[in-house]
Amino acid sequence: DAGVIQSPRHEVTEMGQEVTLRCKPISGHDYLFWYRQTMMRGLELLIYFNNNVPIDDSGMPEDRFSAKMPNASFSTLKIQPSEPRDSAVYFCATRGQRPWTGELFFGEGSRLTVL
Amino acid sequence: AQKITQTQPGMFVQEKEAVTLDCTYDTSDPSYGLFWYKQPSSGEMIFLIYQGSYDQQNATEGRYSLNFQKARKSANLVISASQLGDSAMYFCAMREGRISNFGNEKLTFGTGTRLTIIP
Repeated sequence: DAGVIQSPRHEVTEMGQEVTLRCKPISGHDYLFWYRQTMMRGLELLIYFNNNVPIDDSGMPEDRFSAKMPNASFSTLKIQPSEPRDSAVYFCATRGQRPWTGELFFGEGSRLTVL
Repeated sequence: AQKITQTQPGMFVQEKEAVTLDCTYDTSDPSYGLFWYKQPSSGEMIFLIYQGSYDQQNATEGRYSLNFQKARKSANLVISASQLGDSAMYFCAMREGRISNFGNEKLTFGTGTRLTIIP
């Protein structure tokens, strides 16, 4: 089975540009999470969805960040306008097949560099 | 206060030796889950092992075991017979609340321990 697929793997952009990160979850997983990893703050939950509905977006840092899940097989995380402090690795993850544990399966991440 | 504390930023261990990675947690919720994830240099996060707060026995998954000491609020990861491929960052994480309660899905991660296996 294919895992969580993220694109792009690497993105370098200039401050002020719009950035869109994409995620294809594992089929059948009904929870999808967006995490951000930086050296300073570690791994932080930004937002998560259940059955395509956003449940908790309290981790989204600013209005510049938005996330959507138009269907069960696709989600986007958009930053507009981007700033250098947004440079990080962004992970998409979905809930595993053992619901009683809540283990997550992560994608390989999208490394964003904002110049 | 930190919810997850990993006090070892880095460890060096000889190949084939056992290694223990420390993790302490802080929660007032009687229901919680504890996780360990591995992050190799390639960057992906790999689930290793899970321990529920009501589980009577320590969790085991192959060479991985979780030394769960509830009264001390510690959940140390033990890797037996370490291998060169075990070199990676290791993260302890916690989910508070029952998994069945809608909304209790947030994982809080520790700062990680970088493990290096020496040949």
